[in-house]
Amino acid sequence: KAGVTQTPRYLIKTRGQQVTLSCSPISGHRSVSWYQQTPGQGLQFLFEYFSETQRNKGNFPGRFSGRQFSNSRSEMNVSTLELGDSALYLCASSLPALPIHFGSGTRLTVV
Amino acid sequence: ELKVEQNPLFLSMQEGKNYTIYCNYSTTSDRLYWYRQDPGKSLESLFVLLSNGAVKQEGRLMASLDTKARLSTLHITAAVHDLSATYFCAIFMNRDDKIIFGKGTRLHILP
Repeated sequence: KAGVTQTPRYLIKTRGQQVTLSCSPISGHRSVSWYQQTPGQGLQFLFEYFSETQRNKGNFPGRFSGRQFSNSRSEMNVSTLELGDSALYLCASSLPALPIHFGSGTRLTVV
Repeated sequence: ELKVEQNPLFLSMQEGKNYTIYCNYSTTSDRLYWYRQDPGKSLESLFVLLSNGAVKQEGRLMASLDTKARLSTLHITAAVHDLSATYFCAIFMNRDDKIIFGKGTRLHILP
């Protein structure tokens, strides 16, 4: 069974640009969540989608957005990038009450 | 304020020794996760603990959960160098459907 797939693995963007990250969950998983990991703030919850609906959102500005498609694939978008957005972005998929499986992440560097 | 606190945050230990990582959380939760992260890598699921008194073991790692004390422990028996990594605990927030992570415990096992 294929795991959670995130693309791209690495990205370098300049301040002010926007970026879109993609996540394909494990087949059959309808819940997809996104996390930001930085050395200073650790792992922080961004948002969670289930059946194309955002069920919950973390404490991030409106520049961070996401969506989920009918095939459960998800994208997150960050607009007007800031240096502080440099981080490892992790996507995870799950079934209820079972381990949450994480993708390999997208490492975003904003210069 | 919701908190998930791990201690210690850094641990350097000799091979062959036993040690315990603690995870305290400040709100009720019926699901606690332990993850391992190697440098530059994603999160690997170790354990999901679903009920008070739950104990799970995999190799040299054993995790337990006391929901009344809001405490989980990850015990390492006869540590080996391959267990060097950062270990995260996380709780599932029932009301919000989101996961809150601790800051992680960076474990370094000296050969």
